[in-house]
Amino acid sequence: GAVVSQHPSWVICKSGTSVKIECRSLDFQATTMFWYRQFPKQSLMLMATSNEGSKATYEQGVEKDKFLINHASLTLSTLTVTSAHPEDSSFYICSARGTGTGNTIYFGEGSWLTVV
Amino acid sequence: RKEVEQDPGPFNVPEGATVAFNCTYSNSASQSFFWYRQDCRKEPKLLMSVYSSGNEDGRFTAQLNRASQYISLLIRDSKLSDSATYLCVVNPTDNTDKLIFGTGTRLQVFP
Repeated sequence: GAVVSQHPSWVICKSGTSVKIECRSLDFQATTMFWYRQFPKQSLMLMATSNEGSKATYEQGVEKDKFLINHASLTLSTLTVTSAHPEDSSFYICSARGTGTGNTIYFGEGSWLTVV
Repeated sequence: RKEVEQDPGPFNVPEGATVAFNCTYSNSASQSFFWYRQDCRKEPKLLMSVYSSGNEDGRFTAQLNRASQYISLLIRDSKLSDSATYLCVVNPTDNTDKLIFGTGTRLQVFP
C-alpha cells in the first residue's frame, strides 16, 4: 500500500536553531500534504495545508514565518521550524493523499522534536 | 466549543468486554467521518470510515447520527491488542482533505 515517510523520527535541537522535517510519499504523487502538531495528551492540530508548487495555507494562529513549509515536488514536503524554542517541542506529523490512493489519507510516522 | 469532542477516558475494561465510545461534532455541514486508532507515540491509523447507515467491520461497529451530530464506535469482545487511543475524526467540507481530530479516548484492556 501507499506509504508516507517522515524524517527524522526523533530530533533534539538547541533553542534558537532551526530544524527541518521531511515528508515523502514513497509510491504515489501527493498533490496535497498536511502538517499536524500534537502536544502530549492533546489531539492532532492541523497547522497547514501544503500544495505542490504553491504557497502553503496556514491555519489560524500558526505563524507562517516560524513554520516554513515547502512542497517543491509531488513526493516531498518539508516543514522547517525556525528559531525553535522549548515550547515548540512536540510531535509533528504529515499526511498525504494523491493520485492512485483513492480516498485514503496516509500519515507519516511522525517526528518527535525536543528543543532544549 | 471544540469542533470535535470526545470523552478522554481512560476506559479500563477486561478482555472480552464490550465498550462504546462517543463523539460529537459542531459543524452540521461536515461531510465525512472516521475513527482512527493511535498507539502511544505513533501516527494515527485509519480504523474505519463511518457511514450514515452505520457500518460494521468485524468486532467494530460505527454509527452516525447526523441530526444529533453524534458518532459512536462499539468494540465487542475486546482484546488486549485493542488498547490504544481512539480518535474521532471529521472532514468538515466536501472539497478538501482537511481533517479535524478529537482529543481521543484512551482504552486499556486488561487480562
